[in-house]
Amino acid sequence: SYDLTQPPSVSVSPGQTAKITCSGDALSKQFVYWYRQKPGQAPVLILYKDKERPSGIPERFSGSSSGTTVTLTISGVQAEDEADYYCQSADSGAICVFGGGTKLTVL
Amino acid sequence: QVQLQESGPGLVKPSETLSLTCSVSRYALSSGYYWGWIRQAPGKGLDWIGTIFYDGSTYYSPALKSRVAISLDTPKNQFSLNLGSVTAADTAVYYCAKGLKAADAFDVWGQGTMVTVSS
Repeated sequence: SYDLTQPPSVSVSPGQTAKITCSGDALSKQFVYWYRQKPGQAPVLILYKDKERPSGIPERFSGSSSGTTVTLTISGVQAEDEADYYCQSADSGAICVFGGGTKLTVL
Repeated sequence: QVQLQESGPGLVKPSETLSLTCSVSRYALSSGYYWGWIRQAPGKGLDWIGTIFYDGSTYYSPALKSRVAISLDTPKNQFSLNLGSVTAADTAVYYCAKGLKAADAFDVWGQGTMVTVSS
């Protein structure tokens, strides 16, 4: 098992760009997946395999990877993007792990 | 679109076994994919419990492995979670979810069910 580290909080003004990082030793070898969770709702998958968007997810959500850090970028942040964001990965044995989550606040 | 719905007791006594069922509609469990359980304690983050593949093979969180079992009931198109020897620390919203093809992620989630461990 291994840990994924996310910043507890990120704040951004509407229209600006938000970047949320996810770090972990295994991330140079394993993909990362990102979920958005709004209060009282189930998580929603917004990126898979570091940077791929499921159907229905806006293009302003993008992902990138560098070494052991993966970054979720939200361009042109909107008030509706205020939520908790979680990264998730898995080791080669299908053992999954979630990051601690990042609360995105839209100022 | 696949739909998932959790069901089970909302209150479990300490030291007893928590049992939940996830009913799947619009997709046959035996046809493929994998299925998982994830939980979220009040005010906390997501915690992966385990995954079961369509062939019945299972993978569990190392932290819960000694207490957890996930099984398939393909005739009923359901899969289940059993978590034994529960304590207050197991109080959480429990989600069932469908695995994303050719990936280690979950692309469809149930609405979640709150389980409280208390005497």
